[in-house]
Amino acid sequence: DSGVTQTPKHLITATGQRVTLRCSPRSGDLSVYWYQQSLDQGLQFLIQYYNGEERAKGNILERFSAQQFPDLHSELNLSSLELGDSALYFCASSARLHNEQFFGPGTRLTVL
Amino acid sequence: AQSVTQLGSHVSVSEGALVLLRCNYSSSVPPYLFWYVQYPNQGLQLLLKYTSAATLVKGINGFEAEFKKSETSFHLTKPSAHMSDAAEYFCAVSQSGAGSYQLTFGKGTKLSVIP
Repeated sequence: DSGVTQTPKHLITATGQRVTLRCSPRSGDLSVYWYQQSLDQGLQFLIQYYNGEERAKGNILERFSAQQFPDLHSELNLSSLELGDSALYFCASSARLHNEQFFGPGTRLTVL
Repeated sequence: AQSVTQLGSHVSVSEGALVLLRCNYSSSVPPYLFWYVQYPNQGLQLLLKYTSAATLVKGINGFEAEFKKSETSFHLTKPSAHMSDAAEYFCAVSQSGAGSYQLTFGKGTKLSVIP
């Protein structure tokens, strides 16, 4: 158990819908990263927050957004969902910017 | 830009045999290098990391990796495979960029262990 929690574990929804994925980092970790894992693209970095502020953006679509709240949990919002958004979404946290990242169990999103 | 190449999407070894998973990286600055393992339906677990200290890095579960700058490689080895090692392994690189250390992953190598 990495100490990072993600909810929900599974999510099934329809095209065009909007969903929110939630991540709680390890106690005391200030940095949260979001990654997407799909069969065709592999593991890709989406976005990072550090102590409530956006720090870096990767291959994140404009339909996707994220935020980190004062209690340091983070949410990833996916809207106007398409079939191709079906993937595993991982959250990872680290104590400081340069420390190793600890991954949550992921949320499996299926868009029908 | 940084990148990672893992040679072999699938590797099979016999139980008790040497495990060798290959990783080559590309980075314009000294990198941080990581190996993660993913068991079915689970998240990624850190096996080991290189952060410019010793070039031979020991990790969990008997795995180790050697950083070779001249070959831009960071191959993962284990002297004797165990059935429980069957999983997917990911090599990743990170480097500081505007204060972020996001990971760039290879495509992964699925390890099968034959009894």
